Amino acid sequence: EAEVAQSPRYKITEKSQAVAFWCDPISGHATLYWYRQILGQGPELLVQFQDESVVDDSQLPKDRFSAERLKGVDSTLKIQPAELGDSAMYLCASSAGASYGYTFGSGTRLTVV
Amino acid sequence: AQTVTQSQPEMSVQEAETVTLSCTYDTSESDYYLFWYKQPPSRQMILVIRQEAYKQQNATENRFSVNFQKAAKSFSLKISDSQLGDAAMYFCAYFSRDTGNQFYFGTGTSLTVIP
Repeated sequence: EAEVAQSPRYKITEKSQAVAFWCDPISGHATLYWYRQILGQGPELLVQFQDESVVDDSQLPKDRFSAERLKGVDSTLKIQPAELGDSAMYLCASSAGASYGYTFGSGTRLTVV
Repeated sequence: AQTVTQSQPEMSVQEAETVTLSCTYDTSESDYYLFWYKQPPSRQMILVIRQEAYKQQNATENRFSVNFQKAAKSFSLKISDSQLGDAAMYFCAYFSRDTGNQFYFGTGTSLTVIP
């Protein structure tokens, strides 16, 4: 069964350092999403891509977060500098269309110390 | 923006019994989808069941079924013959075509299955 790949699985970083997460969606999925999930809460959308274009990044803290999907396939989410409040699970998901829902990756758990 | 409300932060059920998780949503749209996702302790979100708003028939997937009340904007999940592996966080999600193909998630219900 096709999966959304994410790496690393876990990341511990010091405050003010840079950190990057990688996501490889299911082949053929044009839509890719990055979500942030704080423990005990539902996922919140950070950025949505359609192919290589950003569709929605209204909730992305652009002073420190950036996301790219240069060739419309895999994607990278970067935080620089990391802050203590960024500690969360970062989920990547891709979709083949409205009626199929998302397929989520296993996520990257970020701890900022 | 659409809102999704899950009013039960925690639920518990005896193994083999039936449990219903509640979800309500607020929308002015007529064309949308509703989903239930399961997130076990391993943290990967898994699609449980989906419902198209234009379909009156309630969706069913094995032991999982929904009670979709469009007029009441209610979308509850029923789990029959609960198993230990059903223990997880369950998220209700609303998918909107009109607002950029985005999902809106509820805050989740933590389900405990008691042996």
